Amino acid sequence: NAGVTQTPKFQVLKTGQSMTLQCAQDMNHEYMSWYRQDPGMGLRLIHYSVGAGITDQGEVPNGYNVSRSTTEDFPLRLLSAAPSQTSVYFCASSWRQGGNQPQHFGDGTRLSIL
Amino acid sequence: AQTVTQSQPEMSVQEAETVTLSCTYDTSESDYYLFWYKQPPSRQMILVIRQEAYKQQNATENRFSVNFQKAAKSFSLKISDSQLGDAAMYFCAYRSEVLGFGNEKLTFGTGTRLTIIP
Repeated sequence: NAGVTQTPKFQVLKTGQSMTLQCAQDMNHEYMSWYRQDPGMGLRLIHYSVGAGITDQGEVPNGYNVSRSTTEDFPLRLLSAAPSQTSVYFCASSWRQGGNQPQHFGDGTRLSIL
Repeated sequence: AQTVTQSQPEMSVQEAETVTLSCTYDTSESDYYLFWYKQPPSRQMILVIRQEAYKQQNATENRFSVNFQKAAKSFSLKISDSQLGDAAMYFCAYRSEVLGFGNEKLTFGTGTRLTIIP
């Protein structure tokens, strides 16, 4: 089972460049989300989606854009990369019903902005 | 809004010994779920154990168990017979029971880095 697939695993960008982090899941989960992980701060929610065509902001949405055109895919776009966006990014998915069902995480993308 | 606090940035334990990682949380909700995730150097997020707030019995998964104190809003993780493979960052996380826009999210603590001493 593929689960949650994130690409790329590593990326280096220059300030001002844009890029898209890809996330795909094959479990037919309604809920998908993006987190960023920074030292000493745990994982913080960037954006989330509860189904195709429905997205909303999380705790730290500035500088990021998302869309959800299909159930499977939830890409995260950096519009104009800044050094403050250097981080490890995780995509996660889960069922909406049944809060004890775990969220499934991708393997993360380490992003460095120079 | 809910918050999760892990007050121990780092812990260490001798191999084969027992260690307890602390987690406290703040919420006004009565129904919710709590999780411990493990993140080894490989960066994967691995579910260790989960607890439903409506259950009084503490969850157990092999060498991992929790001490859930609902009134005190405490959710500690006990690792028995520690093994070298247990070395990782451990995150405590909260999830609401109430379905609604955005309530499906996990709220994480800042993590505890566990070192196993051979």
